[in-house]
Amino acid sequence: AQSVTQLDSHVSVSEGTPVLLRCNYSSSYSPSLFWYVQHPNKGLQLLLKYTSAATLVKGINGFEAEFKKSETSFHLTKPSAHMSDAAEYFCVVSDGGSYIPTFGRGTSLIVHP
Amino acid sequence: ETGVTQTPRHLVMGMTNKKSLKCEQHLGHNAMYWYKQSAKKPLELMFVYNFKEQTENNSVPSRFSPECPNSSHLFLHLHTLQPEDSALYLCASRLYTSTDTQYFGPGTRLTVL
Repeated sequence: AQSVTQLDSHVSVSEGTPVLLRCNYSSSYSPSLFWYVQHPNKGLQLLLKYTSAATLVKGINGFEAEFKKSETSFHLTKPSAHMSDAAEYFCVVSDGGSYIPTFGRGTSLIVHP
Repeated sequence: ETGVTQTPRHLVMGMTNKKSLKCEQHLGHNAMYWYKQSAKKPLELMFVYNFKEQTENNSVPSRFSPECPNSSHLFLHLHTLQPEDSALYLCASRLYTSTDTQYFGPGTRLTVL
């Protein structure tokens, strides 16, 4: 079985400050983990993906995430937020037991000028 | 959004109308998904097709009828909808492996009057 928990429904930061979006997962197999971003009235765009290679994954737009098996976490970070980063972010887990990925409930990132 | 298209992008319909949503992928994938995304609610999986066969129906009301004539096309036929069916309907595709990435279309914004 697989599940994913996004620990914050909303995160608010100032432009130029670091971003941290938290995600914990559970999986019966070696999981693949994803972060997607969704801007208003748009589809979901892949930010980055972990598939048992390097534990620190770099994605688009300066985002990165670190896979920590001991903590069952896959937190998303960015050193400096831009106004254009304001969006909904989804953490997703997919393991060898299912072809149906499991989505978190989403974290809304708010960026203040 | 690259490689997965959805039409129409916006649709307004009355409760007695019949309409169809279309999804097309140009990525050579063999699994396709319909999701419903309502305001303030998590992403809801509706249907999954693998190699044109429906493998998942997530207790969706019969007023939603999917069709997958080939691996590249997916339809969602709508009839006798309710106002609570108003939502963003997202299509996604992936290769039929448990760890591969899903690619999403831009969605169809449906409003039921």
